[in-house]
Amino acid sequence: AQSVTQPDIHITVSEGASLELRCNYSYGATPYLFWYVQSPGQGLQLLLKYFSGDTLVQGIKGFEAEFKRSQSSFNLRKPSVHWSDAAEYFCAVGSLSGGYQKVTFGTGTKLQVIP
Amino acid sequence: DTEVTQTPKHLVMGMTNKKSLKCEQHMGHRAMYWYKQKAKKPPELMFVYSYEKLSINESVPSRFSPECPNSSLLNLHLHALQPEDSALYLCASSQDWGQVVEAFFGQGTRLTVV
Repeated sequence: AQSVTQPDIHITVSEGASLELRCNYSYGATPYLFWYVQSPGQGLQLLLKYFSGDTLVQGIKGFEAEFKRSQSSFNLRKPSVHWSDAAEYFCAVGSLSGGYQKVTFGTGTKLQVIP
Repeated sequence: DTEVTQTPKHLVMGMTNKKSLKCEQHMGHRAMYWYKQKAKKPPELMFVYSYEKLSINESVPSRFSPECPNSSLLNLHLHALQPEDSALYLCASSQDWGQVVEAFFGQGTRLTVV
């Protein structure tokens, strides 16, 4: 069964500092990986995805993620954090089960940005 | 248009009430989903519709009844809910059936059962 682990429940960074959010996955085949962001009380917005190809993936809002098969990781990075980046971040892995798409989310990392 | 629209945004209902949540998308997506998200938890899949047919029910209690009247609309009918059903209910859609693609999420309906 697929699973996703986000080891950091809460992270605080200063505005302008760099950011890395960790994600480890467990999946037998080549994984389909996503990062979503959720502002308080809002829905989820896709930041980026990895299906195949280049292991460094660029997303929206200046985010990028690197797929490392040897480490079963898909960490999210941003070189300079803005106050508006404060939100909950979910890593997710997708697969097909019985023909339908099943997406399993990690438990999320809450990002706090301080001035 | 890459939006999934959910109404209402907030809903308070009593345990004897009947209410419905509505979800709409005009992206031509043929797969639609209902998720439930409790506070400080990740979304959990409830139902999957594919081509307007219920494909997956993740052992959801019968007090939740989904309906897909057409390819753009998805409803979730609620009846005799419990306070523990209070949560953010998210609708999502994706382009296709039979492959993994990104899902587009609505803003959610914040449901409170009193």
